[in-house]
Amino acid sequence: NAGVTQTPKFQVLKTGQSMTLQCAQDMNHEYMSWYRQDPGMGLRLIHYSVGAGITDQGEVPNGYNVSRSTTEDFPLRLLSAAPSQTSVYFCASSFGQNYYNEQFFGPGTRLTVL
Amino acid sequence: AQKITQTQPGMFVQEKEAVTLDCTYDTSDPSYGLFWYKQPSSGEMIFLIYQGSYDQQNATEGRYSLNFQKARKSANLVISASQLGDSAMYFCAMRAIQGAQKLVFGQGTRLTINP
Repeated sequence: NAGVTQTPKFQVLKTGQSMTLQCAQDMNHEYMSWYRQDPGMGLRLIHYSVGAGITDQGEVPNGYNVSRSTTEDFPLRLLSAAPSQTSVYFCASSFGQNYYNEQFFGPGTRLTVL
Repeated sequence: AQKITQTQPGMFVQEKEAVTLDCTYDTSDPSYGLFWYKQPSSGEMIFLIYQGSYDQQNATEGRYSLNFQKARKSANLVISASQLGDSAMYFCAMRAIQGAQKLVFGQGTRLTINP
């Protein structure tokens, strides 16, 4: 049981480039989400999904796209990278979307946009 | 809207002492869950403990316990007999039934354990 996996661990982009951060979970969790963590701050929700084919925006969605074609995978796409998107990105999953469902986090992707 | 406030940016504690990390929350929702996560310098988020709004007793997990005072809307994390490996960032977070898709985080407290 690998839990939540993320690739890559580190990435450097130039302004304007696009890329996809990969996230996968093998726990058959319905709910998946993406967060970003900026220095000295807590995590902020970017996008989330309550099941395959269903996604919605979180607190800071601008500049990011997501899709959920399978239960296991939830990739995050940066359309045109900007220096303001330099951050650490965490993917998380939980069995359901209830308030008592613990979220399991991946190891994070550290992204730098030059 | 839900909000989490952690008022201690940093704390320094001697090894083997107990430490309390403060967390206050704001929500109008009667059903909610409170979570504490540890983030060591390696960066991963480690789940520590959970408290539900309807739980009658304070949650405990090994050396971690949660001092839940519902009327004061506080959910402080207590670490007993601190160890050097407890040095890390600690985040309080909340998930409420109306906004159940969103885990709202506080800004965190950096705990340093001195030998």
